[in-house]
This record gives sequence, C-alpha cells and structure tokens, in this order.
Amino acid sequence: DGGITQSPKYLFRKEGQNVTLSCEQNLNHDAMYWYRQDPGQGLRLIYYSQIVNDFQKGDIAEGYSVSREKKESFPLTVTSAQKNPTAFYLCASSSLGQGYTGELFFGEGSRLTVL
Amino acid sequence: DAKTTQPPSMDCAEGRAANLPCNHSTISGNEYVYWYRQIHSQGPQYIIHGLKNNETNEMASLIITEDRKSSTLILPHATLRDTAVYYCIVGAGSYQLTFGKGTKLSVIP
Repeated sequence: DGGITQSPKYLFRKEGQNVTLSCEQNLNHDAMYWYRQDPGQGLRLIYYSQIVNDFQKGDIAEGYSVSREKKESFPLTVTSAQKNPTAFYLCASSSLGQGYTGELFFGEGSRLTVL
Repeated sequence: DAKTTQPPSMDCAEGRAANLPCNHSTISGNEYVYWYRQIHSQGPQYIIHGLKNNETNEMASLIITEDRKSSTLILPHATLRDTAVYYCIVGAGSYQLTFGKGTKLSVIP
C-alpha cells in the first residue's frame, strides 16, 4: 500500500541528546514536510522540501535540521539546541505540478518525550 | 496571524448532519479552502477542498459563500467515528497551509 511511514512511533531521550526521526514515502511525491504539534494546539511547520537536495525553513526551524538525499526520505533531527523538544511530530508529503490539488498526506506521527 | 476562525468545539447527534462553520474574511483570490480532520493521536486526514464552487465527495460537502469569506463543512450523517478535530485552512500551496486549533467535534450516541 502507498503511504508515509514514520518511525519510531514513541521515543524517549535524555536532555541534551540529538534524536533523528525517520520519514519515508512511497507515493512518488515531490514535496515533503515536517510539523510539530503540542497538546491542544494546531500544527506548526518546521521544514519543507520540494525537491531532492533542497529544503526551506518553516515557522519554527530553530533547533531542528533535515536532509533530503532521496526523494522518498526526509529525516528530521531534533538537536540539543531545541529548548522544548517534547512534542508530537508529523511528516507529510504532497505532489506538485500540473493537477496539483494541495492535498497533504500525513504519517501516523512520532511522539518524542525528553526526560 | 490566524487566517481562519472556527468554534473551539461542537456536538452533533449520531445520524444527524454536522455543520462546521469557518470564517476566512481575508482570503485571497488564489487561495483555496481546505478541510482536514485529526482523530486523536493520529496524523490529519484530508477531507475536501474548494476555490469558489461548492464541492462534494464521499466524505463531506463544502459550501463556500459567494464572497468567499466563510464556508461550511457538512458531514451528512455523522457517526461516532467522525469524532475528531476538524481544521479549516486557506492557502495557495501546501507549504502555506497553517493548521490552527480547529473545531473539536463530538458525535453523541
């Protein structure tokens, strides 16, 4: 089945450690996105990428880093510089170009808890 | 700045139509109206989108006012599985879609 796979689903880390969240898609989508969601809040855009080897900062990029070496993969690293890393992280993808509908396809999310 | 305004919560009786309102008075001419929903602790799910005309698909109907300053998402026969947070979003591209707090819809048996 086509879709987006995020891993791990749950992750616990000690303060000061970097962690990397995986996001893989087999939808052949050009664009991929990372969002952060805090309890009772909406989603905030961290980074997005519209093409391999290129990505742009979203609204809350500080303390995060990404890479886009393959079309299918868009890993997110939460660095020790992120002040409040405990959150629910969502990866999404979308197609671009002619016939583009703007529909985002989301993964099931990764819940990071920093102890 | 919030581009849309939605009520924080609504209740709907099971089997009845759920009508979720959204105000987007500052919408630009090239911006679409999108609706997504998020069931607890899952990723959001796309429901429907539109530009000017009313739209219908297997999940819902979208009614957009003529001046495009507001819209209503209609779930024709709400079920318990429709209990979720519903997001109304306006934007002209995927990276422009800002998810606010949405409306928490509770479908009551």
